[in-house]
Amino acid sequence: EVQLVESGGGLVKPGGSLRLSCAASGFTFSSYSMNWVRQAPGKGLEWVSSISSSSSYIYYADSVKGRFTISRDNAKNSLYLQMNSLRAEDTAVYYCARLAVVHHGFDYWGQGTLVTVSS
Amino acid sequence: DIQMTQSPSSLSASVGDRVTITCRASQSISSYLNWYQQKPGKAPKLLIYAASSLQSGVPSRFSGSGSGTDFTLTISSLQPEDFATYYCQQSYSTPRITFGPGTKVDIK
Repeated sequence: EVQLVESGGGLVKPGGSLRLSCAASGFTFSSYSMNWVRQAPGKGLEWVSSISSSSSYIYYADSVKGRFTISRDNAKNSLYLQMNSLRAEDTAVYYCARLAVVHHGFDYWGQGTLVTVSS
Repeated sequence: DIQMTQSPSSLSASVGDRVTITCRASQSISSYLNWYQQKPGKAPKLLIYAASSLQSGVPSRFSGSGSGTDFTLTISSLQPEDFATYYCQQSYSTPRITFGPGTKVDIK
């Protein structure tokens, strides 16, 4: 059974940092591109960042470029998101999601971890 | 960036109703269109991929159609567990994926 389990969320002050993790199991993690998608309270879904299977290709939404860093450790079946210079508008539930190879939909999602940026 | 719009933003319907949600892309995306269902407090769930293909395990009352810029998600006979918010998502410009704003389906 495919499982994605996020951790690392919490309350942080503006300008602070946080590192999210996503532990994957039940599939060959090293074969898939992985993504972070976020959802602000009461709002829609926003793609945040993508990393290819071998970490060769990395992309960010303009809203987080220069502040967030995505990475992965295929030996540990884990995905990460280092978030620096956090702003109030970064407050959201952060989901890790697997990108399906053929149709590029997100076929598996974690349960999400809440990041709250507030003084 | 490719912009996605959805209509309506919300709708009220009864169990057994046929429900149609529309999604429009700001440019042609061929059939690179996926649909998700999200219930409160839960992660989104993939329903339809490539505009019209049913994801494994999804009931056949869900169907999708369209290509180019205009797409529809249809629920043929609304069930109690279908009350949720539905999002379309374009994967034409992968990895720079964009979602529609969502359509909330609630009970009339």
